[in-house]
Amino acid sequence: DTGVSQDPRHKITKRGQNVTFRCDPISEHNRLYWYRQTLGQGPEFLTYFQNEAQLEKSRLLSDRFSAERPKGSFSTLEIQRTEQGDSAMYLCASSFTSTNEKLFFGSGTQLSVL
Amino acid sequence: AQKVTQAQTEISVVEKEDVTLDCVYETRDTTYYLFWYKQPPSGELVFLIRRNSFDEQNEISGRYSWNFQKSTSSFNFTITASQVVDSAVYFCVNRSNYKLTFGKGTLLTVNP
Repeated sequence: DTGVSQDPRHKITKRGQNVTFRCDPISEHNRLYWYRQTLGQGPEFLTYFQNEAQLEKSRLLSDRFSAERPKGSFSTLEIQRTEQGDSAMYLCASSFTSTNEKLFFGSGTQLSVL
Repeated sequence: AQKVTQAQTEISVVEKEDVTLDCVYETRDTTYYLFWYKQPPSGELVFLIRRNSFDEQNEISGRYSWNFQKSTSSFNFTITASQVVDSAVYFCVNRSNYKLTFGKGTLLTVNP
């Protein structure tokens, strides 16, 4: 069990640029989640995959955001035309569907939009 | 809609003191799950405990204990004999279906 890994750990970009983050979940986990955390706040739900299917997107996820999980393994989160308000920590989590489901989180990608 | 309130924004204690972190939740679900996560300065969220809505038995794990009371919709977390390594942000979380709703967190600082 190598845990949930996210890449990169930090990303600094200029406003208007596109960025892409990657998440590798724990290998046997069929569910994958993206959350966003701003300073002084708890993480907020963005989107959720069951295997390769994206089952829900939060209203926080504007049309500039897109997430994929091809083949139900790793996932990518892309933000197009970044804005300063996108600056946040983007957290990925994974879990295995069960009655005792527990989410395991990665260390996150800290995005700074200048 | 789910809501989790952690009224304590910051708590500062001296090592070896006991400290209780408060959590009040709101939900319309009859079945729900409550969690506590710890977020140290490294940023990774660390799972501490999960409770089901139908199991009000309190739990103790080492220096950690949790008091779940449905009558007051509270799920409080106590650290006994706090240590400097306990310094972190602690989140109380409610899960409905697959979605987690986090409180705003309580920053705990344990001073030597």
